[in-house]
Amino acid sequence: EIVLTQSPGTLSLSPGERATLSCRASQSVSSSYLAWYQQKPGLAPRLLIYGSSSRATGIPDRFSGSGSGTDFTLTISRLEPEDFAVYFCQQFGSSPLYTFGQGTKLEIK
Amino acid sequence: EVQLVQSGAEVKKPGESLKISCKGSGYSFTNYWIGWVRQMPGKGLEWMGIIYPGDSDTRYSPSFQGQVTISADKSISTAYLQWSSLKASDTAMYYCASHIAVAGTFDYWGQGTLVTVSS
Repeated sequence: EIVLTQSPGTLSLSPGERATLSCRASQSVSSSYLAWYQQKPGLAPRLLIYGSSSRATGIPDRFSGSGSGTDFTLTISRLEPEDFAVYFCQQFGSSPLYTFGQGTKLEIK
Repeated sequence: EVQLVQSGAEVKKPGESLKISCKGSGYSFTNYWIGWVRQMPGKGLEWMGIIYPGDSDTRYSPSFQGQVTISADKSISTAYLQWSSLKASDTAMYYCASHIAVAGTFDYWGQGTLVTVSS
């Protein structure tokens, strides 16, 4: 069973700073099937990045994804106030079919 | 416009049964997988299972196999998640989500259905 481990659990930064979020898989994940989601309080998750590095429709270019194999990264180049939220990574393909990481909370410092 | 609209919040007692729904519109419901995701209070996302409405092919997470039933009625573009006997530990927000534009990724989400199980 594949496990996705996100780090850090909480990241405290200020608007304008750069955020780097990590997602590490217990076994290799296809880059085509690694995604990132943003979730704000009281709302459903929103797809940000798919295929490890492609931005979903309407996602600002300050969001970028990278990585391969077992190590993936979500980078937010310059934090805007609306970016403070919880971020989840997700893989498809390995048992179980879909797995989410436990999440990283990005909070205002 | 693609929309997934879920049924409203439910308050149930332990041992009761429940079926919640997710209605798709704005796309060909029959041709895309639709899944269910649990989020317990203050916790992360857990994939429960997924169904292909076209032929009702259903896959479950091992963690949820036998605990819930996923079904779909393609004639009314609606997917369902049901329990035969709820437990307090089923208290959570449940989301339906589909991957339409991107395979293996949940690009469209319902608004969530809050299920509260309490005696």
